[in-house]
Amino acid sequence: EPEVTQTPSHQVTQMGQEVILRCVPISNHLYFYWYRQILGQKVEFLVSFYNNEISEKSEIFDDQFSVERPDGSNFTLKIRSTKLEDSAMYFCASSEMGSSYNEQFFGPGTRLTVL
Amino acid sequence: AQTVTQSQPEMSVQEAETVTLSCTYDTSENNYYLFWYKQPPSRQMILVIRQEAYKQQNATENRFSVNFQKAAKSFSLKISDSQLGDTAMYFCAFTNTDKLIFGTGTRLQVFP
Repeated sequence: EPEVTQTPSHQVTQMGQEVILRCVPISNHLYFYWYRQILGQKVEFLVSFYNNEISEKSEIFDDQFSVERPDGSNFTLKIRSTKLEDSAMYFCASSEMGSSYNEQFFGPGTRLTVL
Repeated sequence: AQTVTQSQPEMSVQEAETVTLSCTYDTSENNYYLFWYKQPPSRQMILVIRQEAYKQQNATENRFSVNFQKAAKSFSLKISDSQLGDTAMYFCAFTNTDKLIFGTGTRLQVFP
């Protein structure tokens, strides 16, 4: 059964460093998402992406964040200059269509630790 | 703004018994969708069940069913005949766009 995959599973970085989190969505899906979960808190929406453009972003998704689909398979989240408060679990998701009804398929997450 | 509240951080149930997980939400929208996602230990979140707000009939998927009370803005998940494999975090989620808004989750432990 097709799955969303994410690499790495755990990333440790120093404050101020750039990190790139990678995701491979399910191959026939057209809509892509990033969510994050700070330890002990709820899963929060960061950004949605369709047709090589951001379709919606949250207040969390400021200028330090960017997303890209560099080729036909990868979907990346870049944090330019990491802060301690960026430490969280980052989940990628994809869906076939962008409507509310459509199931979003989630990856296993990347745990980002900023020291 | 929409919010989702799960008031039970942890629940436990014995195998073969029934358990109900609570979820309430707040919205001024009339058309929306509600979901329960399951996240087993060290695994990705998977969709358990979904409910369209315009449907009065409660959704059912095998051993999983919901009690959707639109006026009360309540969306509880009932798991019947609990199995050890049901041990997981359960997240309630709301959407009226394609952005999911999650609750904080309920950790369910099924005991033999």
